[in-house]
Amino acid sequence: QLQLQESGPGLVKPSGTLSLTCTVSGGSISNAFYFWGWIRQAPGRGLEWIGNMFFDGATYYNPSLQSRVTLSVDTSRDQFSLKLSSVTAADTGVYYCAAKRGSYYDFWGQGLLITVAS
Amino acid sequence: SYELTQPPSVSVSPGQTAFITCSGETLNDKFASWYQQKPGQSPRLLIYQDDKRPSSIPERFSGSSSGNTATLTISGAQAMDEAAYYCQAWDTSTLFGGGTKLTVL
Repeated sequence: QLQLQESGPGLVKPSGTLSLTCTVSGGSISNAFYFWGWIRQAPGRGLEWIGNMFFDGATYYNPSLQSRVTLSVDTSRDQFSLKLSSVTAADTGVYYCAAKRGSYYDFWGQGLLITVAS
Repeated sequence: SYELTQPPSVSVSPGQTAFITCSGETLNDKFASWYQQKPGQSPRLLIYQDDKRPSSIPERFSGSSSGNTATLTISGAQAMDEAAYYCQAWDTSTLFGGGTKLTVL
């Protein structure tokens, strides 16, 4: 049973870069059956896909965020990371990391609330 | 761009059956998944590949898909089923529906 845990600063200044890490346990991030994804949820709103990546570094981004998003992976630590640049208040919300098997996400982290404010 | 459309809200009486729909062009040839999210919790996978249910999910949850519409059915809805429900599909991008708030009263 995979477990995922998000970590990172809960407060980011406007125009700054949001940096989060997801640590995978209970399995290897190099598992070829899984993609690793980030999804966010603004307060009171629905789920928004940010991007997915494979352990070999292949990445897939939401076109609406692509210019500001970078995903990376550290297989030695079973971690993958998200960087979102030029943040504004609209980027405030709960950020989830999740494991995607085929077409669906079957394991999710508990989520991390990120606030963009000065 | 592709979108997945869900009704914002659905109400059902306890013990009755609730139907939550998800419509979008991409569903014609892509699998739908469904997630349940209760306040303050992470989403939980309920249905994958249109109609498959993880072993931990109660049998009262079922899924189906026809044409460009996927449907989540909750048979014998219970108070504990009050939650937001999201559909999701995947091509090269992942799409989520806007979510449906289920009220059981």
